[in-house]
Amino acid sequence: EPEVTQTPSHQVTQMGQEVILRCVPISNHLYFYWYRQILGQKVEFLVSFYNNEISEKSEIFDDQFSVERPDGSNFTLKIRSTKLEDSAMYFCASSGLGANYGYTFGSGTRLTVV
Amino acid sequence: SQQGEEDPQALSIQEGENATMNCSYKTSINNLQWYRQNSGRGLVHLILIRSNEREKHSGRLRVTLDTSKKSSSLLITASRAADTASYFCATPLGSNYKLTFGKGTLLTVNP
Repeated sequence: EPEVTQTPSHQVTQMGQEVILRCVPISNHLYFYWYRQILGQKVEFLVSFYNNEISEKSEIFDDQFSVERPDGSNFTLKIRSTKLEDSAMYFCASSGLGANYGYTFGSGTRLTVV
Repeated sequence: SQQGEEDPQALSIQEGENATMNCSYKTSINNLQWYRQNSGRGLVHLILIRSNEREKHSGRLRVTLDTSKKSSSLLITASRAADTASYFCATPLGSNYKLTFGKGTLLTVNP
């Protein structure tokens, strides 16, 4: 069964450093998403991406966040200057076009900012 | 805005029993989806029910949808310890099919 692959599985970074979280969505999917989950809290929407541009973003997704699909297969989330409160699990997801498609989530990247 | 809200927040049952979780939502929907999350892992899509469907089955899962009450239920029959996880309902919102998740129901199945 097709999978969404995320790397790395765990990233530890110093406050103020830049991190890039990587995702390989399912190849024939057209919509891509990033979500995050702070420990013990619910899964929160960050951003959706379609047709090589951001289609929607949440209040969490401020100027320190950016997304890219640099080569048609990878989908990255960059956090420019990490803060302690960015520590969370970050999940990538993809879905096909149409309301009858569910999301396929990756296993997540656990980001720890120290 | 939050669309799906699960109830109860936590449910503890014995292996072999059935587990029922409920979901309420606010606006009209195209479909409603249920996901499972094992502790510290990604969400796994379980089942999708369309707005013109009333009931759907997948293995030990049974989902119902009542659009007049804006509610759905997920029934897991003959539960197993491996079913221990958090369960979430979600509906796609807007043209981007953004899913929003509630706090989920934490199901514990005791051996």
